[in-house]
Amino acid sequence: AQKITQTQPGMFVQEKEAVTLDCTYDTSDPSYGLFWYKQPSSGEMIFLIYQGSYDQQNATEGRYSLNFQKARKSANLVISASQLGDSAMYFCAMTGMNSGYSTLTFGKGTMLLVSP
Amino acid sequence: DAGVTQSPTHLIKTRGQQVTLRCSPKSGHDTVSWYQQALGQGPQFIFQYYEEEERQRGNFPDRFSGHQFPNYSSELNVNALLLGDSALYLCASSWGLAGGNTGELFFGEGSRLTVL
Repeated sequence: AQKITQTQPGMFVQEKEAVTLDCTYDTSDPSYGLFWYKQPSSGEMIFLIYQGSYDQQNATEGRYSLNFQKARKSANLVISASQLGDSAMYFCAMTGMNSGYSTLTFGKGTMLLVSP
Repeated sequence: DAGVTQSPTHLIKTRGQQVTLRCSPKSGHDTVSWYQQALGQGPQFIFQYYEEEERQRGNFPDRFSGHQFPNYSSELNVNALLLGDSALYLCASSWGLAGGNTGELFFGEGSRLTVL
């Protein structure tokens, strides 16, 4: 079974500052993938970044980077230079070999509010 | 390049009724998964369709059923609606069953169902 834990119900950050959203996971899969999604109030789940468990380097996508620490089973999302449009719910999710990499297990999410 | 599209975006039903939600996958994708997201929670996996067959199923009752068409689009049907079925229903698409192995899992904007 897989489990995702996001311990921060809400985070506040000022515009242009960096913010880290925490995510820890638990799995028995030898191979797995970790995702971060952004969900604005409209409801759409917007893909941000992906990290495979065997990837040697941490994933980066523009202002998003994933701080992957395999031994600690953590996959924190770092957003650099926050913008007002970054205000949204953020979900960490994972999939794994035992599910055929076809289903996602989500955490409960973190609400990020960016202030001017 | 059209992303994942879902319809309707909002709908209201009463207890005991039946509902059908529709999803068209992202261009080039052939696998569709459905998720239920209750208010304040992360999405939960309902089932996955590939080659017009249900391939995996989450912990949902038989009242939840689906279908995939030859053009890869999909429907989610819920019978005998309960108040607890009120949620955002999200469709995700990928290429092949193991889309999660490459990070290619994209979501639509969802269908928000309210059961009165």
